[in-house]
Amino acid sequence: DAGITQSPRHKVTETGTPVTLRCHQTENHRYMYWYRQDPGHGLRLIHYSYGVKDTDKGEVSDGYSVSRSKTEDFLLTLESATSSQTSVYFCAIMVTRNEQFFGPGTRLTVL
Amino acid sequence: AQSVTQLDSHVSVSEGTPVLLRCNYSSSYSPSLFWYVQHPNKGLQLLLKYTSAATLVKGINGFEAEFKKSETSFHLTKPSAHMSDAAEYFCVVSGSSNTGKLIFGQGTTLQVKP
Repeated sequence: DAGITQSPRHKVTETGTPVTLRCHQTENHRYMYWYRQDPGHGLRLIHYSYGVKDTDKGEVSDGYSVSRSKTEDFLLTLESATSSQTSVYFCAIMVTRNEQFFGPGTRLTVL
Repeated sequence: AQSVTQLDSHVSVSEGTPVLLRCNYSSSYSPSLFWYVQHPNKGLQLLLKYTSAATLVKGINGFEAEFKKSETSFHLTKPSAHMSDAAEYFCVVSGSSNTGKLIFGQGTTLQVKP
């Protein structure tokens, strides 16, 4: 199985503070993704990466930025967290054509 | 553009009875389709996938789904529900590009009663 970890697994922060979530893969997959999960919406794509320093926006990218300086790490940053960004965040990697393997998730609460 | 609609937000069945979770998709080309399962407070696990081979796809834990192009459907079934099947299920369609982008349905919560 693909190895993928997310850190932290839980975080509580205050409105206006910056937050960075980390996704780490132990294999060499090219494509990585960040999603948020909210009740009634399924998972929605925030940003994705198709290689080192190559990223693109998803459908809900406002208020988020990403970086990928190494193949194995994909970082998601909330520059100034808002309560509407309270969510569960999932990282994923594409393991075969269009098939994605998901990390365990990060539960973020913005007070 | 691609889209996916899960027709039921909540399905309740008794243990040992059949399960049917309905999914319709919209796509301008022949898509890849997936079902993922998420148990409470867990990540997502792939149940099965359709990638233009056989239209009847068998997955893990006794689940299967049938791709029906004429009906643009990809319903998930299981002959006999088990208590451990209680979870949220997502129908997913691949995006139009080669970027691997996925489009998720809203999810169906499956309740299994003893």
